[in-house]
Amino acid sequence: LAKTTQPISMDSYEGQEVNITCSHNNIATNDYITWYQQFPSQGPRFIIQGYKTKVTNEVASLFIPADRKSSTLSLPRVSLSDTAVYYCLVGDPYSGGYQKVTFGTGTKLQVIP
Amino acid sequence: EAGVVQSPRYKIIEKKQPVAFWCNPISGHNTLYWYLQNLGQGPELLIRYENEEAVDDSQLPKDRFSAERLKGVDSTLKIQPAELGDSAVYLCASSLEVQATDGELFFGEGSRLTVL
Repeated sequence: LAKTTQPISMDSYEGQEVNITCSHNNIATNDYITWYQQFPSQGPRFIIQGYKTKVTNEVASLFIPADRKSSTLSLPRVSLSDTAVYYCLVGDPYSGGYQKVTFGTGTKLQVIP
Repeated sequence: EAGVVQSPRYKIIEKKQPVAFWCNPISGHNTLYWYLQNLGQGPELLIRYENEEAVDDSQLPKDRFSAERLKGVDSTLKIQPAELGDSAVYLCASSLEVQATDGELFFGEGSRLTVL
């Protein structure tokens, strides 16, 4: 199973764009990259998933370079409500491998007024 | 549409006592997961069900933990007897298919256990 590495914490001011990078050097051909967000006292919430290049939804963008050994979650113009822990996961959803992956420690994003 | 419902939200017990957590997944979701989350850590999978069958319980400490999912809907996670180190948040999640191709797991708010 591919292991992921993320920064433990990040600070950002309101209104700024935040980029959180995740390293996954051992990503397999069939693995997808998925990001979750977790607020205190809540369960994680799905943000975005991608396989290659760029994916964008109403919440975030996910950039994946050609070698797929890393990925970057981009949050545009963050607000105080974006303060949370962000988890990067790598796994193959077609083989059940995704469900076996642990979430790791994630990146704790603190948005400052 | 209702999300994943868990109860109780909080439970305080003394060590060696039993405890049980209940989970009601999103209607129609045939895959159900129980995760353990320690303070400052990410969730760790304990057990995964496909309908009523436990298809992955390799990380469930079977000497004191048990789980069941009768009729393939609600699920119960039990600890007996509880130890101090079991203090954590127990999260339940569900997904529409075993192979969640969109990668989306839906989590409940969790049950926070404190063992004294």
